[in-house]
Amino acid sequence: DAMVIQNPRYQVTQFGKPVTLSCSQTLNHNVMYWYQQKSSQAPKLLFHYYDKDFNNEADTPDNFQSRRPNTSFCFLDIRSPGLGDAAMYLCATSRVGGFAPNEKLFFGSGTQLSVL
Amino acid sequence: TQLLEQSPQFLSIQEGENLTVYCNSSSVFSSLQWYRQEPGEGPVLLVTVVTGGEVKKLKRLTFQFGDARKDSSLHITAAQPGDTGLYLCAGEWGKLIFGQGTELSVKP
Repeated sequence: DAMVIQNPRYQVTQFGKPVTLSCSQTLNHNVMYWYQQKSSQAPKLLFHYYDKDFNNEADTPDNFQSRRPNTSFCFLDIRSPGLGDAAMYLCATSRVGGFAPNEKLFFGSGTQLSVL
Repeated sequence: TQLLEQSPQFLSIQEGENLTVYCNSSSVFSSLQWYRQEPGEGPVLLVTVVTGGEVKKLKRLTFQFGDARKDSSLHITAAQPGDTGLYLCAGEWGKLIFGQGTELSVKP
């Protein structure tokens, strides 16, 4: 049974048209992450929530925003998608964060975003 | 900036062959994880290594953590087509930093 669920699996948007990607989890984990992964590249952390506390990476563009209305759901908003934002967007959770030994990330299947 | 370099970036082999992929950094890791990612799916954790010199085995996969905790290797014995995927190492420096991955293709 899927524990981290991302919708939709594939999303097509137009240049400059806002888009929202969603993630839900049944693990009751405290921490939720959003990663961007371009073809043949490492997943790049955009931001994460520790409970309700939002933590933005220094190099994440302002064009990317996130919301976590409750423990189970987290959203990634791209306000004005550009061609360079086409990528796989991965949501992940972890129980406590801080990456203690044996702490692990649980990933969703990702949303593949295309920008036309 | 902490960087993890994986090699090779691409590897295409025949079923039954052995292979090793490497993950290297100039920084010391607190711990290191290996993930496998299949096309169109998210990464799935294979193993976490914590102690320098540690060796862990997962069926035909053997993971080794360098003595100085700056490098790691993944060795696959008798590779099978089901091993095909992107293998990612990730090091912990307060957050998880991923290498760019090794794309493995095992042909029947």
